[in-house]
Amino acid sequence: ILNVEQSPQSLHVQEGDSTNFTCSFPSSNFYALHWYRWETAKSPEALFVMTLNGDEKKKGRISATLNTKEGYSYLYIKGSQPEDSATYLCAFKRTNAGGTSYGKLTFGQGTILTVHP
Amino acid sequence: ETGVTQTPRHLVMGMTNKKSLKCEQHLGHNAMYWYKQSAKKPLELMFVYNFKEQTENNSVPSRFSPECPNSSHLFLHLHTLQPEDSALYLCASSQRPSTDTQYFGPGTRLTVL
Repeated sequence: ILNVEQSPQSLHVQEGDSTNFTCSFPSSNFYALHWYRWETAKSPEALFVMTLNGDEKKKGRISATLNTKEGYSYLYIKGSQPEDSATYLCAFKRTNAGGTSYGKLTFGQGTILTVHP
Repeated sequence: ETGVTQTPRHLVMGMTNKKSLKCEQHLGHNAMYWYKQSAKKPLELMFVYNFKEQTENNSVPSRFSPECPNSSHLFLHLHTLQPEDSALYLCASSQRPSTDTQYFGPGTRLTVL
């Protein structure tokens, strides 16, 4: 059983605050780590796909880092806005015996972010 | 809009009913997926199709029967479901089932009475 853990479960911040949350995943058989943003009643939206240890990715005010050796990724939001309110999901993809991947994503439970005006 | 549509958005069915969920992707992708999200649980993969062939069945009960007639369409046929099958069912697609980003539909909220 793969465990993908996200913390905190929920987070309330004020507009303008910067915030970050954590995704922990197995450090063995790593293939890729995905981050998604999911607003209520909408489709999950892909933020990043990270594959290399030390990867840093950025999209506007949102950035992410990856440490495959210790099995964690951080997602940062700089200057949070009310429209950033959503559930942020990470998902781990592992290698198969051949070193590639079957495509199975194992998701964490998500971090629910609420940004108050 | 992600380019992945799902119908219906909401479905209520009895335990003896037979219904189908439909997913269509307009992205030219080759891989399609069914996921389930039960209350207070993570998204859980059910099935993976690559070039219309099923490549993963995540120990899903046979009362859920997927069908992939072509790379753009994916169905989930439902029969004799249980109340505990009530959940949000999400479809996704990607170019390949490897590192590629998966694009999700908005989901079907299913309630089994």
